[in-house]
Amino acid sequence: GAVVSQHPSWVICKSGTSVKIECRSLDFQATTMFWYRQFPKQSLMLMATSNEGSKATYEQGVEKDKFLINHASLTLSTLTVTSAHPEDSSFYICSARALLNEQYFGPGTRLTVT
Amino acid sequence: AQRVTQPEKLLSVFKGAPVELKCNYSYSGSPELFWYVQYSRQRLQLLLRHISRESIKGFTADLNKGETSFHLKKPFAQEEDSAMYYCAPPGGTSYGKLTFGQGTILTVHP
Repeated sequence: GAVVSQHPSWVICKSGTSVKIECRSLDFQATTMFWYRQFPKQSLMLMATSNEGSKATYEQGVEKDKFLINHASLTLSTLTVTSAHPEDSSFYICSARALLNEQYFGPGTRLTVT
Repeated sequence: AQRVTQPEKLLSVFKGAPVELKCNYSYSGSPELFWYVQYSRQRLQLLLRHISRESIKGFTADLNKGETSFHLKKPFAQEEDSAMYYCAPPGGTSYGKLTFGQGTILTVHP
């Protein structure tokens, strides 16, 4: 089956620094990837749609300058949390869209900002 | 905006009992719906999609356009079915975006 990886699986950074999270589709090409945020015991909140070769589409209320998304190839999308603050601490999940519109999810990245 | 409602945050049943996880959606077009499942300490994974009308792990889901529902059912629950279940109708018309419901935690007791 389709596999999506994320790196790193967890990261701790200091307030004010930037953190990059990678999302890769390992055995299929994905023109569209999605970035979600999940708070403890809550559902996934879509942050943005990442499109290969074009700008990401952000959901209402998500700061595009805060959460930079780059979809450089058909198998890689990156999310950079810029100038991170403690309130950005969360579980970030990516997914890649396959042919029949189903999404395959990465394992998630736990970000802790101190 | 698209909306999806999973009215039960928690659902407990005993092993062997039937289980139904409810999902209601609002979508003006012809919906393409999915159920996703997240087992403990595992990533979210696709359980089934309505267009394929398949049964996965004994689960089925019927799309009822009149009631705008897509309830997930299984006649005989197993302990290994304990997980978080998300209903996901379309979140928009482009790029296969999905709207996730708030999820239902299913616990199957022995």
